[in-house]
Amino acid sequence: GAVVSQHPSWVICKSGTSVKIECRSLDFQATTMFWYRQFPKQSLMLMATSNEGSKATYEQGVEKDKFLINHASLTLSTLTVTSAHPEDSSFYICSAPGARRAFFGQGTRLTVV
Amino acid sequence: AQRVTQPEKLLSVFKGAPVELKCNYSYSGSPELFWYVQYSRQRLQLLLRHISRESIKGFTADLNKGETSFHLKKPFAQEEDSAMYYCALGSFGNEKLTFGTGTRLTIIP
Repeated sequence: GAVVSQHPSWVICKSGTSVKIECRSLDFQATTMFWYRQFPKQSLMLMATSNEGSKATYEQGVEKDKFLINHASLTLSTLTVTSAHPEDSSFYICSAPGARRAFFGQGTRLTVV
Repeated sequence: AQRVTQPEKLLSVFKGAPVELKCNYSYSGSPELFWYVQYSRQRLQLLLRHISRESIKGFTADLNKGETSFHLKKPFAQEEDSAMYYCALGSFGNEKLTFGTGTRLTIIP
C-alpha cells in the first residue's frame, strides 16, 4: 500500500533556531499534502494544506511566516518551523490523500529547549 | 463549521465483551466519516469509512444522519484491539479531515 515517510521522527532544538521536517510519498504522487499538529492528549489540528507548485493554504490562526511550507515536487513537502520557541514543541504529522483515504507519516516529535 | 466529538477519552472493556466507541459530528454539507486507529508505536491508519459499509477486524460503523453519529462497534473485543481510535470527518470532493480528540481503548484480558 501507499506509504508516507516523515523525517526526522524526533528532534530537539534550541530556542531561536529553525527546524525542517520532511514528508515524502514513497510510491505515489501527492499534489496535496496536509500538515497537522497534535498537543498532548488533544486532537490532530490541521495547520495547512501543502500544494505542489503553489503556495500553501494555512488554517486560521496559523502563522505562515512561522511555519514555512514548501511542496517542490510531487513526492516531497517540507515544513520549516522558524525561530522555534518552547511553545512550538509538539507532535507534527503529515498526510497525503489517496484512494479516498489519508495516508499518514509516522510523525515528528519536536522539542524546543 | 465542522466538528467531531468523541465523548470518551478512555474506555476499558473486558476481552470478549462488546465495544462501542462513540462519535458525533456537526457538518452542514454532505459528510464523509472515517475511523482511524493508531496502535502502539505505529502511525495513524485507516480502519474503516462509512461509504464502504465494510467490516474491518470485526469493527463496523453506521452513519446515522438523523443523530449525526458514526459510532464504532465490535461485538467481541480482542486484546489486539487496544489502541487509540480517532473519528474523522471529511466531505466529498474535499480531502481535509477534521478529527475528534480520540478514544484510548484498553482491552482487559
